[in-house]
Amino acid sequence: EVQLVESGGGLIQPGGSLRLSCAASGVTVSSNYMCWVRQAPGKGLDWVSIIYSGGSTFYADSVKGRFTVSRDDSKNTLYLQMNSLRAEDTAVYYCARILFGYVDYWGQGTLVTVSS
Amino acid sequence: EIVMTQSPATLSVSPGERATLSCRASQSVGSNLAWYQQKPGQAPRLLIYDASARATGIPARFSGSGSGTEFTLTISSLQSEDFAVYYCQHFISWPPFTFGPGTKVDIK
Repeated sequence: EVQLVESGGGLIQPGGSLRLSCAASGVTVSSNYMCWVRQAPGKGLDWVSIIYSGGSTFYADSVKGRFTVSRDDSKNTLYLQMNSLRAEDTAVYYCARILFGYVDYWGQGTLVTVSS
Repeated sequence: EIVMTQSPATLSVSPGERATLSCRASQSVGSNLAWYQQKPGQAPRLLIYDASARATGIPARFSGSGSGTEFTLTISSLQSEDFAVYYCQHFISWPPFTFGPGTKVDIK
């Protein structure tokens, strides 16, 4: 059974930094395309970043230069380092596995609130 | 970037009735389209991929159709557990991924 468990969310002041983690089981992070998708309160789904199995990374324009996706193969864990956080980054952040371009497994999400 | 639109924004349906949700792409995405269901407080769940293939464990009352720029998700007979928000997503050229804004299916 595939499980993706996010952690690291919380309340952070504007301009601050936060690192989200996604511990995977039943799927090997390093062998898959993994991504982060976020959902602002009451809003729709927005793709944030992706890391390919080969290590290439891509970002939505809204987070480029501020967020960094990485993984620790030894821990089978995906990360999202978020710097220079803004109020508009407030959202539930989901870790997910991409299969041929669609998402087949989602984590339960972790809430990030950026507020003073 | 391909823009996805969904209609209607809200669909009010009685249990047992048929629901038809639409998704439109700003340019052709072939059959590279997925549908997701999201219930309050839960993560999205994959329903349909490749426009018409049901994901593992998805009941047969869910069906997808269409290609190019026009797609439809049909729920043949709504059950109480089907009241949720439904999103479409293209995956013809990614990244970026683009989701539609969603259609909320609520109880009439």
